Amino acid sequence: QSALTQPRSVSGSPGQSVTISCTGTASDIGAYDYVTWYQHHPGKAPKFLISDVNKRPPGVPVRFSGSKSGNTASLTISGLQAEDEADYYCCSYAGSASWVFGGGTKVTVL
Amino acid sequence: EVQLVESGGGLVQPGGSLRLSCAASGFNFGSHVMHWVRQAPGKGLVWVSRISHDATTISYADSVRGRFTISRDNAKNTLYLQMTSLRTEDTALYYCVRDSVWSFDYWGQGILVTVSS
Repeated sequence: QSALTQPRSVSGSPGQSVTISCTGTASDIGAYDYVTWYQHHPGKAPKFLISDVNKRPPGVPVRFSGSKSGNTASLTISGLQAEDEADYYCCSYAGSASWVFGGGTKVTVL
Repeated sequence: EVQLVESGGGLVQPGGSLRLSCAASGFNFGSHVMHWVRQAPGKGLVWVSRISHDATTISYADSVRGRFTISRDNAKNTLYLQMTSLRTEDTALYYCVRDSVWSFDYWGQGILVTVSS
């Protein structure tokens, strides 16, 4: 399984919106609505942000939203805040009880 | 409060073995699928292995199949990862992760495994 493709970095000013893309194949993102997103501050445990393409777990701010079209999923952070500066990873179920992550995207708040 | 605490990491020579443990608390461990996910230095997250709640269904990433064995002891609320024939490319921070319907909802802090001569 090859890793999903994410941009290495995106940046935005406080209050702006940024979108992170996550491109897979017809065997993973294109085949299942089991795309999830995680926020990772280095040195801490990753945090679960989005399940099933676009569902926010309890406690996740509404400014985080997910979507999917074909083989590409996206995470949008609306109203960027300083504490959103972190690494973000997408993940997709890939069939046969296996999962594949993206390479990660570093979000910088200018 | 859900807690996942990994232990058993360290420095090992190529070809060596190591067993990681993950002590779970704050939830009904025996009802949850569990995973191991790793992160090599400066790299992204990589899924390693999954075990069903009753250990009847197990799966591995191609990179570790045949060398790593995942197991669990529900009476002790503990998840394990037995790693053999270790390679330098297995050097990583290993995370114990709880599954919630195809999502990884709680993660441990991770334990470092270094494979080097």
